[in-house]
Amino acid sequence: GAGVSQSPSNKVTEKGKDVELRCDPISGHTALYWYRQRLGQGLEFLIYFQGNSAPDKSGLPSDRFSAERTGESVSTLTIQRTQQEDSAVYLCASSLPAPGLAGAGELFFGEGSRLTVL
Amino acid sequence: AQTVTQSQPEMSVQEAETVTLSCTYDTSESDYYLFWYKQPPSRQMILVIRQEAYKQQNATENRFSVNFQKAAKSFSLKISDSQLGDAAMYFCASTLWDDKIIFGKGTRLHILP
Repeated sequence: GAGVSQSPSNKVTEKGKDVELRCDPISGHTALYWYRQRLGQGLEFLIYFQGNSAPDKSGLPSDRFSAERTGESVSTLTIQRTQQEDSAVYLCASSLPAPGLAGAGELFFGEGSRLTVL
Repeated sequence: AQTVTQSQPEMSVQEAETVTLSCTYDTSESDYYLFWYKQPPSRQMILVIRQEAYKQQNATENRFSVNFQKAAKSFSLKISDSQLGDAAMYFCASTLWDDKIIFGKGTRLHILP
């Protein structure tokens, strides 16, 4: 597709359930990011994939959160045993690495997945 | 800690006037990128402008320009001739280190007709 695609756009779940969010980056983009944005807040870094390198998971808030990416294609963010504080918009972005600094290119964002945990 | 700080949660500007949004950051790196992103109410983020730290010349994109002060670790965004469509959340961001991009908490900009 022409842009970053995320699904589902909206997800309502009950506390304790697992959810899976999907991101389909722009073809050829080697870098992929997941961010969390709580209502009215900034973007909280979660995880960063760059090509075939080991992902940077330093932003994942707990071991209930995990993410995978196969090669340079689709990524899934999984939240296990969801809690009410997980309610947020989860944004995915992809980029080409800029010259000189790998991964430092312009980020192209999806429209996000809004997660509501009841 | 590597941080990006936006000290103005909200700002307002009269249509056609000029407004400056502030951003400071903390890094020990010498090479990095700085960005301003815009998030309209529709929520999709778009890049407004970017600056490479090793370039001394301030970046400009039409009505948008930056004032990059490397020694002060300051990166402000100036919007000239403000338009109603400029109303949005504006986020400052930086690679800082290890190439991942970190965002500030944002400034909500209101345009007064």
